[in-house]
Amino acid sequence: EAGVAQSPRYKIIEKRQSVAFWCNPISGHATLYWYQQILGQGPKLLIQFQNNGVVDDSQLPKDRFSAERLKGVDSTLKIQPAKLEDSAVYLCASSSPRQGLEQYFGPGTRLTVT
Amino acid sequence: SQKIEQNSEALNIQEGKTATLTCNYTNYSPAYLQWYRQDPGRGPVFLLLIRENEKEKRKERLKVTFDTTLKQSLFHITASQPADSATYLCALGRNAGNMLTFGGGTRLMVKP
Repeated sequence: EAGVAQSPRYKIIEKRQSVAFWCNPISGHATLYWYQQILGQGPKLLIQFQNNGVVDDSQLPKDRFSAERLKGVDSTLKIQPAKLEDSAVYLCASSSPRQGLEQYFGPGTRLTVT
Repeated sequence: SQKIEQNSEALNIQEGKTATLTCNYTNYSPAYLQWYRQDPGRGPVFLLLIRENEKEKRKERLKVTFDTTLKQSLFHITASQPADSATYLCALGRNAGNMLTFGGGTRLMVKP
């Protein structure tokens, strides 16, 4: 089966600009996660969707970050306006209770804010 | 506040030896713990899951232990190979919602 797809793989923007990331989860996976991974740290959960509803977004900086999962499949994560400290890898993951509790991660999008 | 600690220093071992990585946590009552492997430029890959009522889990050359009294998990790779060189992440989860909290990871280097 195809894995989690993310695009773009790399993005360089200037501070105060906006950026959007796209994720296509594994087919049939109802749960989708967005993580932020700063260099040298572990992934930090930003938002979790169950189908097209939000399960948890307590660590999402809502003044600048937004995410949506229309139709319960693909998802986009947006940052507007970006700050220098947003430089990180943004990982998308998906899971299905039929396959257990493990999460399947995409390759990530490396964002550099200058 | 919740805290998950993994050795931030790289672990260097010789090929064929057993690598042991630790994951300690405080202010957390996980229902289960997962271990992931992450290679440079790639997303984490799931390795093993152990539940709070399990003491040990094995999969091929991998072994995980979970001590909820000590609030610690140990991850062992026996007969280590250079191909095992990667960063290993532990993650704690609660039953509700399958949300994971990750540690900072430990980089393992296996030298031939």
